[in-house]
Amino acid sequence: GAGVSQTPSNKVTEKGKYVELRCDPISGHTALYWYRQSLGQGPEFLIYFQGTGAADDSGLPNDRFFAVRPEGSVSTLKIQRTERGDSAVYLCASSSQRQGSLRTGELFFGEGSRLTVL
Amino acid sequence: SQKIEQNSEALNIQEGKTATLTCNYTNYSPAYLQWYRQDPGRGPVFLLLIRENEKEKRKERLKVTFDTTLKQSLFHITASQPADSATYLCALVSNFGNEKLTFGTGTRLTIIP
Repeated sequence: GAGVSQTPSNKVTEKGKYVELRCDPISGHTALYWYRQSLGQGPEFLIYFQGTGAADDSGLPNDRFFAVRPEGSVSTLKIQRTERGDSAVYLCASSSQRQGSLRTGELFFGEGSRLTVL
Repeated sequence: SQKIEQNSEALNIQEGKTATLTCNYTNYSPAYLQWYRQDPGRGPVFLLLIRENEKEKRKERLKVTFDTTLKQSLFHITASQPADSATYLCALVSNFGNEKLTFGTGTRLTIIP
């Protein structure tokens, strides 16, 4: 089937605006992750969902960032009052297995949403 | 603080030689270590996983070692080809039930024809 799909692929916005980034994981994958990647850096963990619930949101940088996954499939990352420092590529990944999946399996990443805040 | 370091930002290797990339970690107790490949403008792609009780894992021209005493993993590409040029990321999964996969900064590998 299709891989992880992220939209939009590119988003340019002005400082202070609200942004939503969408992730459509591989069908049947219960685990979903959001990462942020700045130029020349590795992906930085933001939040992890198992089903509909956020199992670990310790990577969200502040309360301007919020993510939901209401039906356990598609997820939306929401950023309020964007700042220039939020500019990065936001990566979504999914995994097929329940808790403990990373001990035996892999993450499947999307191509990312490049956010530029002017 | 916890840190994952990949030894060089960029590495140039002559085609046909073996490329060796290093991943070192501090203040971390990883149960599993994964290696990913990332091409420009694309998401990372999984290559190999090695467990803490495994010393070595191979897949075609790839070999990964994991030394928990040295707190280091080595990633080797033998008979390197220009198509192997990419950024390679190591990532750790903690021993403490946390599902967070923490990435290093990556090494940009260029295979020179």
